Amino acid sequence: DAGVTQSPTHLIKTRGQQVTLRCSPKSGHDTVSWYQQALGQGPQFIFQYYEEEERQRGNFPDRFSGHQFPNYSSELNVNALLLGDSALYLCASSYTGDVQPQHFGDGTRLSIL
Amino acid sequence: GDSVTQMEGPVTLSEEAFLTINCTYTATGYPSLFWYVQYPGEGLQLLLKATKADDKGSNKGFEATYRKETTSFHLEKGSVQVSDSAVYFCALKWATGSYQLTFGKGTKLSVIP
Repeated sequence: DAGVTQSPTHLIKTRGQQVTLRCSPKSGHDTVSWYQQALGQGPQFIFQYYEEEERQRGNFPDRFSGHQFPNYSSELNVNALLLGDSALYLCASSYTGDVQPQHFGDGTRLSIL
Repeated sequence: GDSVTQMEGPVTLSEEAFLTINCTYTATGYPSLFWYVQYPGEGLQLLLKATKADDKGSNKGFEATYRKETTSFHLEKGSVQVSDSAVYFCALKWATGSYQLTFGKGTKLSVIP
């Protein structure tokens, strides 16, 4: 049973570019959340997608956007990249219920030069 | 707003030593509480959880008790192993009305033989 899978594992971009990160949820899960983890910090919630809609958003600018597809997979897009966007981006999936624990992928390491 | 505070790391212990990692939270009400573990180069794995006051979560020899009077959820293990070396994150989540996990900054544990 595959867990949460993310691609790519590593990515290097330059300032001002745009990036798309991808996530496939664990089998049976229909909800996808995205987190940003800066070096030495805990993950920070970016947003959550359910039924192809963004249903909650954390304190991140509009440069961060996302999408969920009918098969529940998801993309995170970041425009106009800044040096401060360098981080590990984690995807987590869960089943609809609010109290269900979130299962995390291994993340995408994004480096901005 | 909600916040989670963990003891500062890094923590270095000898194998078979007793482990305590302190976690306190600030929130109005009684959220669900979690401990996640992150091994080098990997995403987060759920270690244990507690959803109401006085609940004890346990897994792989780790335990934590939800103490509402002290708003704490300290992680303990009686005898650590080298394989327990990782970063440990305390987190909270509301059962209803919010979908995000709020994390502490993490505590790095190194266990030496």
